[in-house]
Amino acid sequence: EADIYQTPRYLVIGTGKKITLECSQTMGHDKMYWYQQDPGMELHLIHYSYGVNSTEKGDLSSESTVSRIRTEHFPLTLESARPSHTSQYLCASSERQDNTEAFFGQGTRLTVV
Amino acid sequence: AQTVTQSQPEMSVQEAETVTLSCTYDTSESDYYLFWYKQPPSRQMILVIRQEAYKQQNATENRFSVNFQKAAKSFSLKISDSQLGDAAMYFCAYRSLYSGGGADGLTFGKGTHLIIQP
Repeated sequence: EADIYQTPRYLVIGTGKKITLECSQTMGHDKMYWYQQDPGMELHLIHYSYGVNSTEKGDLSSESTVSRIRTEHFPLTLESARPSHTSQYLCASSERQDNTEAFFGQGTRLTVV
Repeated sequence: AQTVTQSQPEMSVQEAETVTLSCTYDTSESDYYLFWYKQPPSRQMILVIRQEAYKQQNATENRFSVNFQKAAKSFSLKISDSQLGDAAMYFCAYRSLYSGGGADGLTFGKGTHLIIQP
């Protein structure tokens, strides 16, 4: 199993609440990513980072924000959750120099009621 | 921008038989990586096999092999001797060889749900 961890696995929260989804990896990877997986299972890149203090928006526009203060940590924050944010969120990481495979966490299933 | 198409939303195969999952992609790049990922019901995405576009030889990993047709932009996955543990969503994915400039990361197809019949 890959050394990348997401917490919580499941979260049910009310509209308007602020939430942070945690993602940590112990592989020393520079690159980290957040994907959103909709109910139809398709994955879309919403954020990525090349290293500390680097964050970029992905292909799919998202109201979430990310930060990268430490190499191993890449949290995603929603300031005010809405039902449209209900989805599966997958975190991934990969090496910087070798642009090959990504390792994924187990995901966070978010439900906003 | 690259696109990845998986035209089979669901496939079913008898245990011990062979199944092929289809994937086509569109790109203007000449060098890139292609992947097949497996997502079991536990939800953690696992790499099954990868192919470098500059390699003509098809990648093989035990019971899993690919048929990579670069000119046709086709990248199918063959699973031989299917096992119950192979049941999962399978995603085809594309990744540019060169990072930087625009969004980085994998471009996924919509997935194929593979059912293994005992």
